[in-house]
Amino acid sequence: AQTVTQSQPEMSVQEAETVTLSCTYDTSESDYYLFWYKQPPSRQMILVIRQEAYKQQNATENRFSVNFQKAAKSFSLKISDSQLGDAAMYFCAYSSINNAGNMLTFGGGTRLMVKP
Amino acid sequence: ETGVTQTPRHLVMGMTNKKSLKCEQHLGHNAMYWYKQSAKKPLELMFVYNFKEQTENNSVPSRFSPECPNSSHLFLHLHTLQPEDSALYLCASSQELAGESTDTQYFGPGTRLTVL
Repeated sequence: AQTVTQSQPEMSVQEAETVTLSCTYDTSESDYYLFWYKQPPSRQMILVIRQEAYKQQNATENRFSVNFQKAAKSFSLKISDSQLGDAAMYFCAYSSINNAGNMLTFGGGTRLMVKP
Repeated sequence: ETGVTQTPRHLVMGMTNKKSLKCEQHLGHNAMYWYKQSAKKPLELMFVYNFKEQTENNSVPSRFSPECPNSSHLFLHLHTLQPEDSALYLCASSQELAGESTDTQYFGPGTRLTVL
């Protein structure tokens, strides 16, 4: 079974600075998807970024980028030019490509606080 | 984000009540999911429906009963719940190809359930 670990329960960053959230996972599969979701106080889970394991290039979405290290099974999220609206819980998630149940396995989350 | 809607947003019920949670997706997806989010625990997948067929029941107690009448609607029927069932219940949807996985899951805003 796959597991996803987020070792930082809380992180804080100054507005306009850069912060990196860590995520590691355990799997025996070679092809899979990885996601970062954001959950603000409104509780709506919002997709931030997605990475296919077979792609070597790190995914980027505006101020959000990932550092995908397949051999190390590491998938960190970098937020550049942090904004107050980035304050939220961030969840890393894993999904197998060959998964008839289409299950997402989530990490425990990291609470990001942004200081003005 | 109005792609996936959930009603009610908040629900308080007694242990002997029967209630239902509703989820509707407006994205043309063919797979829908129920997740449970409890305090200090990772999101837990409860049920998966692909093409209106239930493909996953993640060892959920029988007091939770899902129903998927069509690809746009998903219900979670609740009866004789316990206080430990109090949680945020999230619905999600995705577009899946038969036999393959997986496209990104899009989440609704959740129903905050309190069982007294």
